[in-house]
Amino acid sequence: KNEVEQSPQNLTAQEGEFITINCSYSVGISALHWLQQHPGGGIVSLFMLSSGKKKHGRLIATINIQEKHSSLHITASHPRDSAVYICAVSTPNYGGSQGNLIFGKGTKLSVKP
Amino acid sequence: DSGVTQTPKHLITATGQRVTLRCSPRSGDLSVYWYQQSLDQGLQFLIQYYNGEERAKGNILERFSAQQFPDLHSELNLSSLELGDSALYFCASSQTLHHEQYFGPGTRLTVT
Repeated sequence: KNEVEQSPQNLTAQEGEFITINCSYSVGISALHWLQQHPGGGIVSLFMLSSGKKKHGRLIATINIQEKHSSLHITASHPRDSAVYICAVSTPNYGGSQGNLIFGKGTKLSVKP
Repeated sequence: DSGVTQTPKHLITATGQRVTLRCSPRSGDLSVYWYQQSLDQGLQFLIQYYNGEERAKGNILERFSAQQFPDLHSELNLSSLELGDSALYFCASSQTLHHEQYFGPGTRLTVT
């Protein structure tokens, strides 16, 4: 079993829809990261959170430490949101140092106009 | 633009060869991380440096090595290349070990 699991693997939405991507993890973490990878390959860090909720524009990320679960929400989705969204965790015990990431396999989002 | 630069952008080489990938972190960032993204394995952590010292190793093969120089740029050396080493190699940097990581654009390595 992977230490970081994401669902769904693939998601197709119509422009304007509210989107939720889920992430569950099985290890102790110091932080959880949401990353966005565009078709060209570049990776952008969207959020780093260790508790509660963060909002940036139309993106909202939440984390429940007790349940070891995080969600990424996109409101009023747009075709330019089409990308792969990757959940990753920093675990304090991994390699003896904080900051190293363990990645989920990603959710491929396609938003149709 | 994250402020992290990687060179070269693309690299095509033959099996058995050796290549060096270069990463310049964002100004002020002391920590550098290397990751490999292949089609079958996804993103995997390779190695981390902090202010010139190796801090953690992940799934890095013995044929691979890295270092961080006094000016904080880092190089990842891949030797005795195999077809399976074909992948995207990302460098990321962060201010300290506990801050958000910023990713470079990646180097796409193709081994033929």
